[in-house]
Amino acid sequence: QKEVEQNSGPLSVPEGAIASLNCTYSDRGSQSFFWYRQYSGKSPELIMSIYSNGDKEDGRFTAQLNKASQYVSLLIRDSQPSDSATYLCAVPFSGGYNKLIFGAGTRLAVHP
Amino acid sequence: GAVVSQHPSWVICKSGTSVKIECRSLDFQATTMFWYRQFPKQSLMLMATSNEGSKATYEQGVEKDKFLINHASLTLSTLTVTSAHPEDSSFYICSARLRNRDVRAFFGQGTRLTVV
Repeated sequence: QKEVEQNSGPLSVPEGAIASLNCTYSDRGSQSFFWYRQYSGKSPELIMSIYSNGDKEDGRFTAQLNKASQYVSLLIRDSQPSDSATYLCAVPFSGGYNKLIFGAGTRLAVHP
Repeated sequence: GAVVSQHPSWVICKSGTSVKIECRSLDFQATTMFWYRQFPKQSLMLMATSNEGSKATYEQGVEKDKFLINHASLTLSTLTVTSAHPEDSSFYICSARLRNRDVRAFFGQGTRLTVV
């Protein structure tokens, strides 16, 4: 069974702080990892993808991948109230069409 | 690029009727599309994989006779919820890939279905 695990939260951080979101996955063969942001009532939006061990930065977002530990994280620097959303970790299932398997999502609340 | 359009955005229907939801890739051809369902405060659950020109592949526990999927062209997949019941009320979302080797998925805006 392919699994993607996330802490459901809510994770509450003050405005301007760093928000750290974590995800673990069960399939050692996974090569691609994605973070999606979903606002309430809306569909998910792709914000980060990472394929190699280490860090990948894009603006205020940094994705970190450690394949040995089967762990991927998302850091949001200088958090803003507009970052308040649910963040979904997604990993392609290698068997069949690379369908994306989503974690349960972590709800982030950034308070002023 | 990579725009996926879903229609309608919301629909209310009576129990026992059928509802069709369309998913279109506007600026690219999608040989594979995916249909998800999301209940309140839950994550996305994959229902089926839709392949152009062939039968859809359904996930375990999803009734293929109730959720009819047709992927008639490289830019259009449809999901029909047949004989809808209140428990089918949910947020239905489609996604598509740019090409088979690119595993990133881009989502439509979703369809909120309410069955009364």
